[in-house]
Amino acid sequence: GQQLNQSPQSMFIQEGEDVSMNCTSSSIFNTWLWYKQDPGEGPVLLIALYKAGELTSNGRLTAQFGITRKDSFLNISASIPSDVGIYFCAGREGAQKLVFGQGTRLTINP
Amino acid sequence: DGGITQSPKYLFRKEGQNVTLSCEQNLNHDAMYWYRQDPGQGLRLIYYSQIVNDFQKGDIAEGYSVSREKKESFPLTVTSAQKNPTAFYLCASSKGQGSSNQPQHFGDGTRLSIL
Repeated sequence: GQQLNQSPQSMFIQEGEDVSMNCTSSSIFNTWLWYKQDPGEGPVLLIALYKAGELTSNGRLTAQFGITRKDSFLNISASIPSDVGIYFCAGREGAQKLVFGQGTRLTINP
Repeated sequence: DGGITQSPKYLFRKEGQNVTLSCEQNLNHDAMYWYRQDPGQGLRLIYYSQIVNDFQKGDIAEGYSVSREKKESFPLTVTSAQKNPTAFYLCASSKGQGSSNQPQHFGDGTRLSIL
């Protein structure tokens, strides 16, 4: 099945730094979702995007739906230890099923 | 509390044995999904159901079976035909059906291992 290209695969940062990750697709999507997964748990929805160009914030998190509808990014400002985990993007093309990126593993050094 | 409950948290299977993973939701969601997650990889869709008594194969349905007899329940059976069943299995649900773009919400997963 189709997969998204999510990058970077992993990040090692210092506490307090800002983080940026992105996903790109060869297809045009009408929905972009960003999830966070802690070890041994299910993904939790962070932000949902439904319109090209849409910029949405959730606390220190900000995500944008790319204007071409083929990409999205997630930024985390002033990272804290509880931000550690794996972040997944997911996109939907028309009425099709969700497609997931392979995840970005975030590690924070205190 | 409203949510998606998966059980058991950990499950062990012997060679040649079928096992069934439970997924229950009290969110009144129409659509339910099963995903498989392997280490370092994203989620791959096994089966999904948009309405009671109907379900469709996902990208990796071979060796799995499902049923959707009730709106709130979507059990997944890992059959003996699935030769590499060790993985983390995630159930999800979402409002609406068809072309609805409602986000999916996940349970806490079941980790299946082979004895």
